[in-house]
Amino acid sequence: SQELEQSPQSLIVQEGKNLTINCTSSKTLYGLYWYKQKYGEGLIFLMMLQKGGEEKSHEKITAKLDEKKQQSSLHITASQPSHAGIYLCGADKSGMGFGAGTRLTVKP
Amino acid sequence: DGGITQSPKYLFRKEGQNVTLSCEQNLNHDAMYWYRQDPGQGLRLIYYSQIVNDFQKGDIAEGYSVSREKKESFPLTVTSAQKNPTAFYLCASSIPGQGYYGYTFGSGTRLTVV
Repeated sequence: SQELEQSPQSLIVQEGKNLTINCTSSKTLYGLYWYKQKYGEGLIFLMMLQKGGEEKSHEKITAKLDEKKQQSSLHITASQPSHAGIYLCGADKSGMGFGAGTRLTVKP
Repeated sequence: DGGITQSPKYLFRKEGQNVTLSCEQNLNHDAMYWYRQDPGQGLRLIYYSQIVNDFQKGDIAEGYSVSREKKESFPLTVTSAQKNPTAFYLCASSIPGQGYYGYTFGSGTRLTVV
């Protein structure tokens, strides 16, 4: 399966601050997915990127896929406690493979 | 509302016993998946099925078995051969070829073997 590396492993930010999570692939990405997971729950699909240079936004979360299609970033603007959770990137190839996740804590 | 139901949410079993985790979906999705999640690690694929009566091993299939007799159901059996079965198990489904929508996940079953 596709190998995906996420950084950082964990992140603690003050409410209102911006933050970025990265996802790097060892292979060209033909579809990169971002999910969010609350502790002890299932994953919620956020967005999917497919084309090099593509950028998508959902509320205050923006994700980009680089031109070479090997790296994606997820940016949260003006973070809120509701953004807290684990963010995982995934790539679909005969069953989706996932990065290890980034645990985000937002301090009020 | 459509979705995926995993039951039970918490499951306790004694070492050496087989246990079956339930996964049911009413989304009319053809593909279904089982993942295992351990603390500090991402999801690892156990088994997946693209169509009824057919399934493939994922990255960590040893010690697990599945069946896909109905489109709606994809139960996972954790056998006594699985050396470290305590984990959080997630079931997912999707429509093959419509990756734009991602996978839909259940809320998970936390299995503890004592």
